[in-house]
Amino acid sequence: SQQGEEDPQALSIQEGENATMNCSYKTSINNLQWYRQNSGRGLVHLILIRSNEREKHSGRLRVTLDTSKKSSSLLITASRAADTASYFCATVPRSNDYKLSFGAGTTVTVRA
Amino acid sequence: KAGVTQTPRYLIKTRGQQVTLSCSPISGHRSVSWYQQTPGQGLQFLFEYFSETQRNKGNFPGRFSGRQFSNSRSEMNVSTLELGDSALYLCASSLIPQETQYFGPGTRLLVL
Repeated sequence: SQQGEEDPQALSIQEGENATMNCSYKTSINNLQWYRQNSGRGLVHLILIRSNEREKHSGRLRVTLDTSKKSSSLLITASRAADTASYFCATVPRSNDYKLSFGAGTTVTVRA
Repeated sequence: KAGVTQTPRYLIKTRGQQVTLSCSPISGHRSVSWYQQTPGQGLQFLFEYFSETQRNKGNFPGRFSGRQFSNSRSEMNVSTLELGDSALYLCASSLIPQETQYFGPGTRLLVL
């Protein structure tokens, strides 16, 4: 079973608007990572946030982590057509388990 | 630095055949992971290698195997192919296990 679950499954927004997606997970984590995938291609790493961090920024991206609720959110501000993609959260467990467990992803469509 | 490369990019096989996929990690990266991506199951972890040792394996049958060479290049093999093995197979490398993964473009396998 997948560790992370993204919500919503799909999101359609107008260019310039913000997009927010959430990720919930089940077990204690070492870190949580967000990735983007365009049209069934390889994944591109966006942000890694560690369990002792609460917020990280990278350009127009902002990630928050709430370990008490076992959840994370990814905010894309001032979206562009190029942001159209699927976004995945992936968790690394605190154990010696080296698996990176991906959620089902959120498909974001940015309309011009 | 050159990114993660995977060969071949596309492959068509018939049921019962076997296939070998290759992955060359980013220079200096010693950790290589493999993932299977399908529309139904999403991204699923196959296995992870570090310094030629398989450290973790996902929930896949024994038909799926892999190895890593001394130069960190990795191969995965699927024997006795089934229709359900049709998928995008992604390889990722990282400098430190459990940290940021750099993905290759993937090998799209179609089993007929």
